[in-house]
Amino acid sequence: ETGVTQTPRHLVMGMTNKKSLKCEQHLGHNAMYWYKQSAKKPLELMFVYNFKEQTENNSVPSRFSPECPNSSHLFLHLHTLQPEDSALYLCASSQDGRQLVNTEAFFGQGTRLTVV
Amino acid sequence: AQSVTQLDSHVSVSEGTPVLLRCNYSSSYSPSLFWYVQHPNKGLQLLLKYTSAATLVKGINGFEAEFKKSETSFHLTKPSAHMSDAAEYFCVVSARGAGNMLTFGGGTRLMVKP
Repeated sequence: ETGVTQTPRHLVMGMTNKKSLKCEQHLGHNAMYWYKQSAKKPLELMFVYNFKEQTENNSVPSRFSPECPNSSHLFLHLHTLQPEDSALYLCASSQDGRQLVNTEAFFGQGTRLTVV
Repeated sequence: AQSVTQLDSHVSVSEGTPVLLRCNYSSSYSPSLFWYVQHPNKGLQLLLKYTSAATLVKGINGFEAEFKKSETSFHLTKPSAHMSDAAEYFCVVSARGAGNMLTFGGGTRLMVKP
């Protein structure tokens, strides 16, 4: 148990559906992240939030829309996805990444997304 | 700029034999280095981290890694593999000059044979 909880653990959605992934952390961290892990590819950073402000958008298509209402919660809204978006989506949190060095990230268990 | 290269995508060892997972990094700044482990269908768990203190770092489950600046390496070792060590391992670099962004290596899948 890392202190970062993701729901749902598994999600199957059609290409016309709208769904949301949820991430919650109770570690007192101020930075939260979305990563995409596809088979046979390195982990890809998607979005970074520091103190609820988006500080990084790694050229992610607009069909992925993040939301960070507070420092403890992070959402990833999904709409009109493609089959190639099927992957494990990992959420992570860390202390304020802008100020501290040696900051490791704590990861959730991920949401396994399948787009059909 | 920073990058991480994990030299082996797959490593297979017998139970009870030593484990060596290789990692080389590149960074324009003084880096912090991490090893994470991911078991099937699980998130990533921190094994150990190097933060400019002792160059030999001990982590959980008997793993350790040595930071060698001259070789730009941070190889992960364990004296004796256990079946439960079978997983994917990621070497990660971050640096304050790079905004503390984590840069991941491609991963090494460790298989442990009985």
